[in-house]
Amino acid sequence: GAGVSQSPRYKVTKRGQDVALRCDPISGHVSLYWYRQALGQGPEFLTYFNYEAQQDKSGLPNDRFSAERPEGSISTLTIQRTEQRDSAMYRCASSFVGGELFFGEGSRLTVL
Amino acid sequence: QQQVKQSPQSLIVQKGGISIINCAYENTAFDYFPWYQQFPGKGPALLIAIRPDVSEKKEGRFTISFNKSAKQFSLHIMDSQPGDSATYFCAAASSGNTPLVFGKGTRLSVIA
Repeated sequence: GAGVSQSPRYKVTKRGQDVALRCDPISGHVSLYWYRQALGQGPEFLTYFNYEAQQDKSGLPNDRFSAERPEGSISTLTIQRTEQRDSAMYRCASSFVGGELFFGEGSRLTVL
Repeated sequence: QQQVKQSPQSLIVQKGGISIINCAYENTAFDYFPWYQQFPGKGPALLIAIRPDVSEKKEGRFTISFNKSAKQFSLHIMDSQPGDSATYFCAAASSGNTPLVFGKGTRLSVIA
């Protein structure tokens, strides 16, 4: 596709369950970023990759959150043992190195 | 610690008027200052960006003004139109491949 693709668009889960959110970046984009956006707030950085290497994971809230990009293309953000406070829009963005970020439409996670 | 402070939180402007949104930053290593526009249900999209070697950048009806000594930058939307109604985010980053830090956003409503 032409843009950043995220799936699922909506995910409702029960507290304690694990969830995996997927991001398919724009073809050729080296950098891939994960952000979390609460309602009425700006995107909050979680982690990013150049190719398959995770460059910075300082924004991950705790060790229940992890991300991977094993082949330098598709990335998965995994949240283990979800809690209600994890409910948010999770946004992926991709770019050339140092270039403009292109955001996907996000995955809205609701933890009951 | 909020690295980028944005104001106002919301703004109502008459059609044809000027919309002004302000941001202040703390990290003097920041040297890339973009503005993103977000429509409901969509991801943020780059609108215009500036680097500190210039004090102003204009693209159509959109202008960024940058004051390095005050560590402030602002977005001006001239001849505001109802189609400009959206949430606007300022952001900042330092050279290289560092992640963008976003402000909390300004919800702009342009009324006829």
